Amino acid sequence: RKEVEQDPGPFNVPEGATVAFNCTYSNSASQSFFWYRQDCRKEPKLLMSVYSSGNEDGRFTAQLNRASQYISLLIRDSKLSDSATYLCVVNIDDNYGQNFVFGPGTRLSVLP
Amino acid sequence: DTAVSQTPKYLVTQMGNDKSIKCEQNLGHDTMYWYKQDSKKFLKIMFSYNNKELIINETVPNRFSPKSPDKAHLNLHINSLELGDSAVYFCASSRDRLGPDTQYFGPGTRLTVL
Repeated sequence: RKEVEQDPGPFNVPEGATVAFNCTYSNSASQSFFWYRQDCRKEPKLLMSVYSSGNEDGRFTAQLNRASQYISLLIRDSKLSDSATYLCVVNIDDNYGQNFVFGPGTRLSVLP
Repeated sequence: DTAVSQTPKYLVTQMGNDKSIKCEQNLGHDTMYWYKQDSKKFLKIMFSYNNKELIINETVPNRFSPKSPDKAHLNLHINSLELGDSAVYFCASSRDRLGPDTQYFGPGTRLTVL
């Protein structure tokens, strides 16, 4: 089983739609969680951290379920500019320091 | 100001050559990383350095050798390049190696081996 798995996608949604991405991780020692966004031919950029209580940033809501080892990202009122690949990232802090493990990404296309 | 910079942005070379990619960060971070993103877009960590010391060395061929002259720089040297080395290589940095933190990525170096 892969360490971090995500919805395979791609997701093609109309502008204004609500879309949700799922991510599961296998290592129960995982300590911190993030969603990154990667535009085509660009570097990954932090979208938001994911906190145990769930957190919201504008149209974006992230949730974490440690018991199920599951993370989600909800995007409301999708914009054309939201089109990108969304990467789930799990950080395991072991004896060697931080180890960031990236999921394979879910591609989103928001259509006019 | 560019936080994490890489050079070159594009690198096209023949099989068997030796090449280097440079990375610099001006964020004052203690930890730097090299990642490889292949044609399937999977981002995999290759190396991690904390204060000039290697702390993670994932299973990569020993043709790849990271070098960190100081904590603001982490260069990647590749010997005897192979076709399978073609990928985008991203440098990244984070504040330190302890506790939850985020990573900041450079723009990537697109390596094509012919």
